[in-house]
This record gives sequence, C-alpha cells and structure tokens, in this order.
Amino acid sequence: NAGVTQTPKFQVLKTGQSMTLQCAQDMNHNSMYWYRQDPGMGLRLIYYSASEGTTDKGEVPNGYNVSRLNKREFSLRLESAAPSQTSVYFCASSAQTAANEKLFFGSGTQLSVL
Amino acid sequence: GENVEQHPSTLSVQEGDSAVIKCTYSDSASNYFPWYKQELGKRPQLIIDIRSNVGEKKDQRIAVTLNKTAKHFSLHITETQPEDSAVYFCAASKGSGNTGKLIFGQGTTLQVKP
Repeated sequence: NAGVTQTPKFQVLKTGQSMTLQCAQDMNHNSMYWYRQDPGMGLRLIYYSASEGTTDKGEVPNGYNVSRLNKREFSLRLESAAPSQTSVYFCASSAQTAANEKLFFGSGTQLSVL
Repeated sequence: GENVEQHPSTLSVQEGDSAVIKCTYSDSASNYFPWYKQELGKRPQLIIDIRSNVGEKKDQRIAVTLNKTAKHFSLHITETQPEDSAVYFCAASKGSGNTGKLIFGQGTTLQVKP
C-alpha cells in the first residue's frame, strides 16, 4: 500500500518549457488535489477533483491545467513554465466522507524554473 | 473566499514548556478545522482536527480549541519534546462536499530546545 505517489521528485525547467507532474493514489479515494508550497505562504490549492470526471479551480490556478485520468490518477501540467512557478508541489487525496476528511499527501516535487 | 491567518510565524520554546499557535478565518460558513504537521523535508500529516459543533478536542499532549463567534481556533501542545519541532499548518474548509478544499494558514515553525 503505497498511499499517494507523485513523480518526479525533482525537476529543473527553463522558462517556457512544459512538463506534467504525475500523481496516483491506491486508497480508492474520491478526491484529489494539487497544492504548491512556498516559504511563508503555506500550502495553496491549485486545482482539485472532487470525484472522477470533475475538476475545479483552487486559489492559484493560473498557468496550470489538470487531468483526472481515472479514479487513481490526477496530473498537473505546466504549459509554459515561468520562474514564479518555482515551488514545491504536493499532490493529495482524501476519501471525503463525513467521517473521514483526512488529506494524504504525496512526498512532493521540487520544481525550479530558470 | 476563505482567508486563514496564522500566528506566530516562528515559535521557540524550551523542552517541557507549552506552545500555542493561533489561527483566524474569515468565512463564517467554514466548519472543519484541521491541523497538519510537516517535519523538515517531509510531507504534511494530519495531527488533529475539529468541527464547528465542538469547542475543544484533545489527543494526548495536543489539543485544539475553537471559538466560532470570534472565528478563531488554536493548537495547544503541552510538555513539548524535541520531536515536536516542525512546521505546523492550520486550515479551514466548508462542509457539504467541499471538506477537502482546505485553505491553509501560512505556517508556524516550532523549535523545541532541549
């Protein structure tokens, strides 16, 4: 039982390059999320998917796109990377039931855009 | 939208002392308030949570209190130990299917000195 797995762990991009961050969970959770973490700013929600087939914008969606490929997988795409997107990215999932709202996070992706 | 403010940004205590971290939120409809702990280089993990129908919740050395009227909630850690050193994040969300759409505070770096 791996929990939430995200790849890659580290990535360096040049301005304007594109890339996709991959995330998969094996807990049969309905909901999945992408957060970015910047010093002094906490964790900010980029996009989330409440269930398979749906996605919604979070607090900071500009410059990103997402795909909920199936119940297990939720990817984050940067079409044209900018230095402002240098950050640590966390994928998370939750069962999102009234009794269980705990977020399970992946190990993070450290992204640098030069 | 929801805004969560967290104070202090850094907190240093002696081992055995108590630590208190405070958060305020803006949206009176928020009704779920978790706290996450992130050790250096690790992923955030849930340590305790509280719902709006409860004023206080305790789990061994940690407790959370909620004042809905004032829209603030606090994390209390008693008898601190060096392994409590980490970054702590508060968060808030509304129920009814949005419980995973957490808005986080900026984080508090807690240092427990032996």
